[in-house]
Amino acid sequence: SQTIHQWPATLVQPVGSPLSLECTVEGTSNPNLYWYRQAAGRGLQLLFYSVGIGQISSEVPQNLSASRPQDRQFILSSKKLLLSDSGFYLCAWSTGMGQFGYTFGSGTRLTVV
Amino acid sequence: EDQVTQSPEALRLQEGESSSLNCSYTVSGLRGLFWYRQDPGKGPEFLFTLYSAGEEKEKERLKATLTKKESFLHITAPKPEDSATYLCAVQAVGTSGTYKYIFGTGTRLKVLA
Repeated sequence: SQTIHQWPATLVQPVGSPLSLECTVEGTSNPNLYWYRQAAGRGLQLLFYSVGIGQISSEVPQNLSASRPQDRQFILSSKKLLLSDSGFYLCAWSTGMGQFGYTFGSGTRLTVV
Repeated sequence: EDQVTQSPEALRLQEGESSSLNCSYTVSGLRGLFWYRQDPGKGPEFLFTLYSAGEEKEKERLKATLTKKESFLHITAPKPEDSATYLCAVQAVGTSGTYKYIFGTGTRLKVLA
């Protein structure tokens, strides 16, 4: 069966520090991978998506970047965090273009202080 | 502009008190409408996909329906364990032919024993 792992679950980082969040998928090949951010009272905001190794599309200009070094690994990074980067970050995968829905990870609560 | 609106924002029900959640959308080229359940501090969990007006899907106490302008998630005789945030999302075809996935802000449901 397919599973998705996302870590860490919570993270408190000072302003200006780097960030690395990792997501891995098991039980499927060549998934589409996504990074979302969820702010309180707002819908999920798509940050990045990837249809293959090394292929990253950015939806929102920001202080973050993403990489896909392996087929089932997706990494969200920042060189210098801002207060506005605080939020709940979710990784997700889908087959095809998501027409059958997404499977989400358990999320990372990031607080920038 | 493509938009997904969910109502109400929050709903409190007594155990056994049936009700409906609404998801209205204005998008061009609807490919599918999705319902997710999200527990506090967790990632969304896929519930249903609806593809065309008139379609219905059921799962335990939940039933989702779709019209050309909106979807309803009917909850029959809810139990406290149904308490969660219910998210609606639509997948539509963008102007460049790519797919886009738009989430609503959710309905927070609280079922009291």
